[in-house]
Amino acid sequence: DAKTTQPTSMDCAEGRAANLPCNHSTISGNEYVYWYRQIHSQGPQYIIHGLKNNETNEMASLIITEDRKSSTLILPHATLRDTAVYYCIVRVADSGTYKYIFGTGTRLKVLA
Amino acid sequence: EPEVTQTPSHQVTQMGQEVILRCVPISNHLYFYWYRQILGQKVEFLVSFYNNEISEKSEIFDDQFSVERPDGSNFTLKIRSTKLEDSAMYFCASSSQRGYEQYFGPGTRLTVT
Repeated sequence: DAKTTQPTSMDCAEGRAANLPCNHSTISGNEYVYWYRQIHSQGPQYIIHGLKNNETNEMASLIITEDRKSSTLILPHATLRDTAVYYCIVRVADSGTYKYIFGTGTRLKVLA
Repeated sequence: EPEVTQTPSHQVTQMGQEVILRCVPISNHLYFYWYRQILGQKVEFLVSFYNNEISEKSEIFDDQFSVERPDGSNFTLKIRSTKLEDSAMYFCASSSQRGYEQYFGPGTRLTVT
């Protein structure tokens, strides 16, 4: 099972910041948090990842709490094209493998 | 920007037939993965592959499935005798290093009739 919990769905007004929360209370010290999104039935698209520090790239920012038990993905100025299912994934490192275990994600709808 | 490609985009086959799904990972990547997503369900891990060997496989990846890197660019998933429940989107992914982010292809929609 996925090690993360996310709200099932969220709405956001176009042009506003979209803040997507994720809980990962059982995360281990060496596990990263990854965010992906899936638009319709396309392949999951990598957004950002982090370990303990906040991260920012051209797509988004990732805020990780000090205790690492939760994080928030921020899309600073959401557009209609950001409507997608967003997945928060804790990288499972089991016997040296690095498969992703996807949960059900958050369905973000950006409203005009 | 380099990307993972997959062919065909849609494959229709009859139950019991063999299918081969093809993927071209990003050129300097060394780790390869297959995932699948049944319509309306989660994305599920199938198998990971490195150095011409399977690194890990899930319970879904039974004897009907096999993977191969036949040359320096292609990575294939074969299903020997398809079942109705194999109908799904199949995604190939690759990463440059084992712990690095994975980049996914657009998927192949497999329909078994």
